[in-house]
Amino acid sequence: NAGVMQNPRHLVRRRGQEARLRCSPMKGHSHVYWYRQLPEEGLKFMVYLQKENIIDESGMPKERFSAEFPKEGPSILRIQQVVRGDSAAYFCASSLAPMAGLLYEQYFGPGTRLTVT
Amino acid sequence: ILNVEQSPQSLHVQEGDSTNFTCSFPSSNFYALHWYRWETAKSPEALFVMTLNGDEKKKGRISATLNTKEGYSYLYIKGSQPEDSATYLCAFGNSGGSNYKLTFGKGTLLTVNP
Repeated sequence: NAGVMQNPRHLVRRRGQEARLRCSPMKGHSHVYWYRQLPEEGLKFMVYLQKENIIDESGMPKERFSAEFPKEGPSILRIQQVVRGDSAAYFCASSLAPMAGLLYEQYFGPGTRLTVT
Repeated sequence: ILNVEQSPQSLHVQEGDSTNFTCSFPSSNFYALHWYRWETAKSPEALFVMTLNGDEKKKGRISATLNTKEGYSYLYIKGSQPEDSATYLCAFGNSGGSNYKLTFGKGTLLTVNP
């Protein structure tokens, strides 16, 4: 059973370009989470999605960032008009659909390291 | 703003030594405490998730304890091996409907010298 896959692993963009980060969850997982790790910081929650639905985007910057998890295909984190401050490692995690009273572990991908030049 | 602190930041031990490190988290609105092991260029790997005060979990030579009343967890490694070298992350999940929103510490980087 393949784990959480992210691609690309490394992405270099010039200021003003768009960055698209992809995440394929583990087989059977319908819930995806994105986290960002800025230099010298811990992982910070960005957004929580289930297929075709954003459940919680409270950690996403209000502008230039968007996320989707379509019915078919990977989850995409999209950053428009990137700036140097967007340089970070972006991690995706997936889980089974949470049920009341149960805690499901989040399984992480290896991350995408975005460098904005 | 939730604060999760891990100490020490980094640690060097000799092969065979036993070691431990700490994760401090808010003692209110506790839901769960997660430990992850993260090797460079790989995915963080889930070690333990603990939900009850006094929980103790064990996996091989690694074990963890939880004190939710005072807001700390210890991770212990017995007889460290070079392959234990990694960053160990803890993450706090709070109650109140958003327990999925993990708040991570910055990690403890463990280096085990052969």
